[in-house]
Amino acid sequence: KQEVTQIPAALSVPEGENLVLNCSFTDSAIYNLQWFRQDPGKGLTSLLLIQSSQREQTSGRLNASLDKSSGRSTLYIAASQPGDSATYLCAVKKTQGGSEKLVFGKGTKLTVNP
Amino acid sequence: EAQVTQNPRYLITVTGKKLTVTCSQNMNHEYMSWYRQDPGLGLRQIYYSMNVEVTDKGDVPEGYKVSRKEKRNFPLILESPSPNQTSLYFCASSFLKSNRDRYNEQFFGPGTRLTVL
Repeated sequence: KQEVTQIPAALSVPEGENLVLNCSFTDSAIYNLQWFRQDPGKGLTSLLLIQSSQREQTSGRLNASLDKSSGRSTLYIAASQPGDSATYLCAVKKTQGGSEKLVFGKGTKLTVNP
Repeated sequence: EAQVTQNPRYLITVTGKKLTVTCSQNMNHEYMSWYRQDPGLGLRQIYYSMNVEVTDKGDVPEGYKVSRKEKRNFPLILESPSPNQTSLYFCASSFLKSNRDRYNEQFFGPGTRLTVL
């Protein structure tokens, strides 16, 4: 059974700091990995999607990497801002017997202090 | 605007009173799914659908029903809600991975906060 773990559960940093969020998964047979942002009480906003054949994706100040063989992904946030405060979730997509399934980690709650 | 919509956004009901949460997407996605989010448990899949008239159970299907009569709609039905179904519910959609011309990104609705008294 695929399990996704995100460490740390919470992180507090001063504004301007570069930071890395970690995601690990137990089964390397994934189709893709997606990073989301969730603000309190709100829906999920997709940040980056990495296909299994890719090593990284970049969008603005965000960079996500994927190492399938070791079951790890990182989300790098450069020059953090208070507006980056949110919970960040990673999810891996597995395909099995024709079905598709997204398995989520429990998230890292990020607080960026002014 | 490409989006997934859910209604209602907030609902307070009583045990045993049947309710339906609607979900609609305008992106022509084949795949639609329902999740519930609970503190300490994260997001868990309830049901999913690979296409019209094709639905299957996720990890926590007990107490829920779904239907997929049209491609754009995927309602979640609670026939007899109980307090343990109090949660934040999300609908999501994407193209299937077999749809090679399309990006397989998953899009989420804004969520429905359900309280069952």
